[in-house]
Amino acid sequence: SQTIHQWPATLVQPVGSPLSLECTVEGTSNPNLYWYRQAAGRGLQLLFYSVGIGQISSEVPQNLSASRPQDRQFILSSKKLLLSDSGFYLCAWRAPSNEQFFGPGTRLTVL
Amino acid sequence: QKEVEQDPGPLSVPEGAIVSLNCTYSNSAFQYFMWYRQYSRKGPELLMYTYSSGNKEDGRFTAQVDKSSKYISLFIRDSQPSDSATYLCAMRRNSGNTPLVFGKGTRLSVIA
Repeated sequence: SQTIHQWPATLVQPVGSPLSLECTVEGTSNPNLYWYRQAAGRGLQLLFYSVGIGQISSEVPQNLSASRPQDRQFILSSKKLLLSDSGFYLCAWRAPSNEQFFGPGTRLTVL
Repeated sequence: QKEVEQDPGPLSVPEGAIVSLNCTYSNSAFQYFMWYRQYSRKGPELLMYTYSSGNKEDGRFTAQVDKSSKYISLFIRDSQPSDSATYLCAMRRNSGNTPLVFGKGTRLSVIA
């Protein structure tokens, strides 16, 4: 069966510090992968998606970036965090059947 | 007009009630419809997945899609306090790698 992992689970970072969040998927190959942000009281905002290694589509211009160095690994990064980057970051993968499954999320607080 | 509209609630019901959660959408090209349940501080969990129109039942949950009205529903029978969560609808066009479009979610509380 397929499993999606995210780490860390929680993170507290100062403004201006770098960020690296990791997502890995097990039990499938060449999945479509997604990064979402969910801010308090707001809906899910799609940040990036990837259909393959090295292929990244950005949905929202911002100080975040994404990379896909391996087939089942998706990384969300920032060089300098802003207060507005605080939120709940979710990774997801899309099955060939078109169902989409989410990871457990990373709660980021920027102080 | 937003692509997907969902009443944010909160919706509060007594234990055992039938719950009806709804979303409307504007894009007639949507073909894949999903309902997610999200507990506080957790990732969304896929509850129901439907392709095109019709009904789908899974235990106490029933998903309905009415493409002519651009309206989808999730019914929860015999609601339990453990059903208290935020419910998100999501949908996608039937083409390529287009991402899911989500509603903002409805917060449900089932009171014992």
